[in-house]
Amino acid sequence: AQTVTQSQPEMSVQEAETVTLSCTYDTSESDYYLFWYKQPPSRQMILVIRQEAYKQQNATENRFSVNFQKAAKSFSLKISDSQLGDAAMYFCAYKITQGGSEKLVFGKGTKLTVNP
Amino acid sequence: KAGVTQTPRYLIKTRGQQVTLSCSPISGHRSVSWYQQTPGQGLQFLFEYFSETQRNKGNFPGRFSGRQFSNSRSEMNVSTLELGDSALYLCASSPGGARGLYEQYFGPGTRLTVT
Repeated sequence: AQTVTQSQPEMSVQEAETVTLSCTYDTSESDYYLFWYKQPPSRQMILVIRQEAYKQQNATENRFSVNFQKAAKSFSLKISDSQLGDAAMYFCAYKITQGGSEKLVFGKGTKLTVNP
Repeated sequence: KAGVTQTPRYLIKTRGQQVTLSCSPISGHRSVSWYQQTPGQGLQFLFEYFSETQRNKGNFPGRFSGRQFSNSRSEMNVSTLELGDSALYLCASSPGGARGLYEQYFGPGTRLTVT
């Protein structure tokens, strides 16, 4: 069964510094998608960044980048120049396909605190 | 383009009652997925609808059901509510085509409290 593991329940970072959130997953598929979602206290889930497994180049979106290690089944999120608005729950997710339909399998999340 | 909307945002129900939650996807999106979020279990997939058909269902009892209308709006229903059904229910929409969940967007959620 596909699983997603986020080993850090909580992380904290100083404003303007860099933080890395870890995620590992288990799959037997060769082509798949991985996502990082952010859920601020207002609770609306926002897509931060996504990675297609067949692409070797790590995805980047402004201050957010990933370190995708396919062989190790690792998908970490790096946030550079952290801002107070980055404080949120961060969820790593893996897309699986079942019977023509798709669904996301989420990790338990990492709560990120940004200290001023 | 308007985002995913969910109504109501908050709901308090009593054990044994039933509840209906509504989700309006982004215009043009044909796929709607529902997730349950609780502190203990995290985010769990409930079901996915595409063009009025349920394509996938998570591991939830039959008390949880849903449907999708021709305008892609979706409702989920929970009958005979239990205390453990207290959760944030999230709806997500995506185009539903070849790119599938590559472009999935979530609504703000409905906070259901069962007393």
